[in-house]
Amino acid sequence: GAGVSQSPRYKVAKRGQDVALRCDPISGHVSLFWYQQALGQGPEFLTYFQNEAQLDKSGLPSDRFFAERPEGSVSTLKIQRTQQEDSAVYLCASSLELAETQYFGPGTRLLVL
Amino acid sequence: GDSVTQMEGPVTLSEEAFLTINCTYTATGYPSLFWYVQYPGEGLQLLLKATKADDKGSNKGFEATYRKETTSFHLEKGSVQVSDSAVYFCALTVNTGFQKLVFGTGTRLLVSP
Repeated sequence: GAGVSQSPRYKVAKRGQDVALRCDPISGHVSLFWYQQALGQGPEFLTYFQNEAQLDKSGLPSDRFFAERPEGSVSTLKIQRTQQEDSAVYLCASSLELAETQYFGPGTRLLVL
Repeated sequence: GDSVTQMEGPVTLSEEAFLTINCTYTATGYPSLFWYVQYPGEGLQLLLKATKADDKGSNKGFEATYRKETTSFHLEKGSVQVSDSAVYFCALTVNTGFQKLVFGTGTRLLVSP
């Protein structure tokens, strides 16, 4: 069956541009997570949704980062006025329920010039 | 706060050699422990997990035992293959009411024929 998909796979942005990263979770998965993975580092938690409700956004690094999941399925991570330090791979993961295994998408590699 | 420390790589081995990748953790409460693997060009995949002390997770010839007394979860494999070349991440889940993953920095394994 289809796994978690993310688009675009690669994004190059000029400093100051806004970007939107999309995540399509596995159908029926209630929980959705966003992580940020800097080069040579492990993923770091950004935010968590249960259905359409954003229950934790404690990992978002600044108010330039915004995530939504309006219908409880597809999610979008938006970064406004991108900075060079935003360059990273952005990973999306989904799971059936709270205690279930997270399934990761291939990530979106963002490069801010 | 909760954290994971794993050995730096790269770990370079010949095919059929024994593998150990060390992982230790710091956590409040009783975390679940995971090993994720990232093959070149692919997303993170769950390799194995253990949810309580003395549990052993195993998959594809890899094993790790949850050691509460030493706060460790070392990954082992008796005979590695070239196809095991990948980046391995140790992780734990924090008791926040949902399965927020905290990752180590990753260890790259290179297996030569």
